[in-house]
Amino acid sequence: DQQVKQNSPSLSVQEGRISILNCDYTNSMFDYFLWYKKYPAEGPTFLISISSIKDKNEDGRFTVFLNKSAKHLSLHIVPSQPGDSAVYFCAAKPFRGATNKLIFGTGTLLAVQP
Amino acid sequence: NAGVTQTPKFQVLKTGQSMTLQCAQDMNHNSMYWYRQDPGMGLRLIYYSASEGTTDKGEVPNGYNVSRLNKREFSLRLESAAPSQTSVYFCASTPPGRGHQPQHFGDGTRLSIL
Repeated sequence: DQQVKQNSPSLSVQEGRISILNCDYTNSMFDYFLWYKKYPAEGPTFLISISSIKDKNEDGRFTVFLNKSAKHLSLHIVPSQPGDSAVYFCAAKPFRGATNKLIFGTGTLLAVQP
Repeated sequence: NAGVTQTPKFQVLKTGQSMTLQCAQDMNHNSMYWYRQDPGMGLRLIYYSASEGTTDKGEVPNGYNVSRLNKREFSLRLESAAPSQTSVYFCASTPPGRGHQPQHFGDGTRLSIL
């Protein structure tokens, strides 16, 4: 039972355009969401996060939107750059999870074409 | 800054052999985690250690054991390797403190079991 779902295995975008990566979750008890970026042969690196009490968080070219009623979050990258080409994982943290355990989605491979 | 260091980076085993994957962090983090990443499955938590001296099962603990040797080191052991354990293994850690803390990942160990 996949509690965090990324239904698009891959996405291709032209350089300079917007990339939108989507993530759906099923557990309404999740209270914190994160996006990680992963290059081949490297570990995931933290990109941006959002608390369930917010609906938007922005950091430079990266913005995460959270729609709690729809149990949906998205990552917007504007403008997209070739260096953004990587696998993007969304992750969710259950409420009162003192151990910071995360539940990950299956990932979306983003290819930014020059 | 070394961050989270995993050894070895690659390993090939025969079915039934045993193996210990090593993980060390130099960031004075309290919590440490072991994940496996398989195609189409995202990252799945095997075991975690909330603090030195404690370990708990994650989502997929069968066939694995862990040891939190000290605050820096958290090892993962396969007692009798099986082909189903062919995967990329990631170690991660989080710092102490209140609130949400992103996990910091190592670069992974690629394990093949024949």
